[in-house]
Amino acid sequence: GAGVSQSPSNKVTEKGKDVELRCDPISGHTALYWYRQSLGQGLEFLIYFQGNSAPDKSGLPSDRFSAERTGGSVSTLTIQRTQQEDSAVYLCASSSRLAGLETQYFGPGTRLLVL
Amino acid sequence: GENVEQHPSTLSVQEGDSAVIKCTYSDSASNYFPWYKQELGKRPQLIIDIRSNVGEKKDQRIAVTLNKTAKHFSLHITETQPEDSAVYFCAASSNDYKLSFGAGTTVTVRA
Repeated sequence: GAGVSQSPSNKVTEKGKDVELRCDPISGHTALYWYRQSLGQGLEFLIYFQGNSAPDKSGLPSDRFSAERTGGSVSTLTIQRTQQEDSAVYLCASSSRLAGLETQYFGPGTRLLVL
Repeated sequence: GENVEQHPSTLSVQEGDSAVIKCTYSDSASNYFPWYKQELGKRPQLIIDIRSNVGEKKDQRIAVTLNKTAKHFSLHITETQPEDSAVYFCAASSNDYKLSFGAGTTVTVRA
């Protein structure tokens, strides 16, 4: 079946603008995760959704970052008033209790560049 | 929270030789340890994982070992091939959802 998809694949924006990044998880996966990967770095956890609720938002770096998930499916990560240090690849992953919640399947990522 | 350290950061091996990557973790409650492979410009893909109730797991040329007492786990790739060239990430989880990742190891297999 289809894997995790993300859009856009690339986004260039100017400092101070808002951006929205979209994630479509694998159909039926109840858990959804957002990560950030800076150049040459590991994956930094941002937020976890179980259904439409977010039990763990501890990784969001500032109040400029927010995320929502509607209908237990699509999720949107919003970054307000973007800064140059927000430039990174934003990865989404999903998982299912059937496979074990820890088994996370990643999307291709959105590469964000803030000028 | 959990802290995962990964070594080495880069690894160059001759085709056919073995590659070993080591990770340590800080939270003794961690019970799930996956390894992901990320090729340039691609998404991370799970290649193998191990849970705390076993000490070793193998899948063809790939194996992972876990030492809970020492809080470290390792990835072993035997008979390396050019297509094994990628960045490898280890991770650990002490609950049923949050993965803490190492910084990654760039593996280059020389033909």
